[in-house]
Amino acid sequence: DQQVKQNSPSLSVQEGRISILNCDYTNSMFDYFLWYKKYPAEGPTFLISISSIKDKNEDGRFTVFLNKSAKHLSLHIVPSQPGDSAVYFCVQGGSEKLVFGKGTKLTVNP
Amino acid sequence: SAVISQKPSRDICQRGTSLTIQCQVDSQVTMMFWYRQQPGQSLTLIATANQGSEATYESGFVIDKFPISRPNLTFSTLTVSNMSPEDSSIYLCSVPRGDGYTFGSGTRLTVV
Repeated sequence: DQQVKQNSPSLSVQEGRISILNCDYTNSMFDYFLWYKKYPAEGPTFLISISSIKDKNEDGRFTVFLNKSAKHLSLHIVPSQPGDSAVYFCVQGGSEKLVFGKGTKLTVNP
Repeated sequence: SAVISQKPSRDICQRGTSLTIQCQVDSQVTMMFWYRQQPGQSLTLIATANQGSEATYESGFVIDKFPISRPNLTFSTLTVSNMSPEDSSIYLCSVPRGDGYTFGSGTRLTVV
């Protein structure tokens, strides 16, 4: 049973619009979440994180929202750019071990 | 953030053979992590490699199949032994860095 679920394997949006990537988790014990972006033939790169003392963290075009009661977080990208096209992984941390979701492939169309 | 050099980037191997993957970090780190991403799956932690001690393996992974070396604080290897087609995956190393972790570029392994 997956601890971190990204139910949308893919998402397509138009350039300039908002991209919303969703993630659900089951284990409330670990309260630190990260988003990673992965381009083909490259390793994942860190994008943004959030700890449970916050419900929002913003960095430029990227904002992560955390709803602890719903065990849900989302990554908002606005405005979306073609260079944002990649696979996005929702990751649960807080211990030494990271738990990854399966990823959502985002395609931003010009 | 840390720079990790991972080799090889890809390989095609015969079943029954072994492949050793190397990761070199540009600074000293206490812990290094090895992950596997099977096709269509999420990244899964194989083991944690600490310098000077045996690696700690996650459930479902054993040392005989995935021996790990950690001779110093900047280098580690993962060997995929006695390979079968089910071992075809992307293998990545990772080290803690700041708010997150830095990953190597990955090794895409195909076993035929």
